Amino acid sequence: KAGVTQTPRYLIKTRGQQVTLSCSPISGHRSVSWYQQTPGQGLQFLFEYFSETQRNKGNFPGRFSGRQFSNSRSEMNVSTLELGDSALYLCASSKVTSGSPGRQYFGPGTRLTVT
Amino acid sequence: AQSVTQPDIHITVSEGASLELRCNYSYGATPYLFWYVQSPGQGLQLLLKYFSGDTLVQGIKGFEAEFKRSQSSFNLRKPSVHWSDAAEYFCAVGYNNAGNMLTFGGGTRLMVKP
Repeated sequence: KAGVTQTPRYLIKTRGQQVTLSCSPISGHRSVSWYQQTPGQGLQFLFEYFSETQRNKGNFPGRFSGRQFSNSRSEMNVSTLELGDSALYLCASSKVTSGSPGRQYFGPGTRLTVT
Repeated sequence: AQSVTQPDIHITVSEGASLELRCNYSYGATPYLFWYVQSPGQGLQLLLKYFSGDTLVQGIKGFEAEFKRSQSSFNLRKPSVHWSDAAEYFCAVGYNNAGNMLTFGGGTRLMVKP
């Protein structure tokens, strides 16, 4: 069974631009979560999508948005990029869709560099 | 606010020695606790999880962790470390009715001396 895939793996953007990252969950998994990982702030939850609806949202500005498609694939978008948005963005999928956390499988991440 | 603390940023152990990585959480109700490992350039891999029941949980790669409610701790242990265990380890907590949202600790980087 294929794991969680994220594209692209590496990305370099300029301040002020916008970027879209993609995540394909494991087949049959309907929950997709996104995390930002930086040396200074560590791993921080961005948002979770389930059945094309945002179920939870972390404490990030509105420049960070996401969506989920009917095939459970998810995208996250960051508009008006800032230098501080440079990070590893991790996607995780889960089969568990109840209100409690289940086992999540993480992708390898997309390394975003903002110059 | 809920939080997770991993007091040790770096730990170095000799190969074959025992290991204990500390994790403390702050949360009013019973948490859902996880330990993940991240090797360089990789995503996170789940080592073990605790939801309820037996407070000593076994995971993959010979790791175990013990939930101690009185100390708000969930420390990770391994009796004999292998060089391939060198990586960064993250403790995380989830909550009832919060879906798959996790709060992570700052991580502990483990180095293994030959």
